[in-house]
Amino acid sequence: DGGITQSPKYLFRKEGQNVTLSCEQNLNHDAMYWYRQDPGQGLRLIYYSQIVNDFQKGDIAEGYSVSREKKESFPLTVTSAQKNPTAFYLCASRSGQGARVTGELFFGEGSRLTVL
Amino acid sequence: AQTVTQSQPEMSVQEAETVTLSCTYDTSENNYYLFWYKQPPSRQMILVIRQEAYKQQNATENRFSVNFQKAAKSFSLKISDSQLGDTAMYFCAFMKLGYGQNFVFGPGTRLSVLP
Repeated sequence: DGGITQSPKYLFRKEGQNVTLSCEQNLNHDAMYWYRQDPGQGLRLIYYSQIVNDFQKGDIAEGYSVSREKKESFPLTVTSAQKNPTAFYLCASRSGQGARVTGELFFGEGSRLTVL
Repeated sequence: AQTVTQSQPEMSVQEAETVTLSCTYDTSENNYYLFWYKQPPSRQMILVIRQEAYKQQNATENRFSVNFQKAAKSFSLKISDSQLGDTAMYFCAFMKLGYGQNFVFGPGTRLSVLP
């Protein structure tokens, strides 16, 4: 079945370590997104990518980095520069043709990162 | 910039009853989409219903329907015959058409369906 796979579901990190969250989709979607969700809050955009080899900062990009080397994959690295990384991270994708995106977002199951 | 407001942080409803969740938004765009997403305790976001702004007819999906008032910039969600499985966070979202990160979420409403 088509969908978005995020891994790992749970991740623990010591302070000062970088971690990478995986996001893979087989929906053939051009656009992919990373959101952060804190308890009791809505979704805040970290990074997004409209096409391969291109990505843009969202509202809270500081301390995060991404790459988009393949259409199917959009990994997120949480660096040691991120001051409060403990959160729930959601990856999403949606259909579109090139630069024009249409349609709703499809989400993965999320990854919960806890910094010890 | 667009903003989405959900004025009810928490709501509860008895099983089999009807509940309405409120959403207002602010935009200068004329063409856009509105969505309601559901996030159950499993945490995966699921699309509930969508509405195109150019359509006057309110969208309906089984027990879920919306009341879209474009002039008032209001987009409420009505859940009929509430079921225990409807317990979740509900997010209202706005999407403008065109290039860019054009999706904006509201802060969410936590709905509890009581047996």
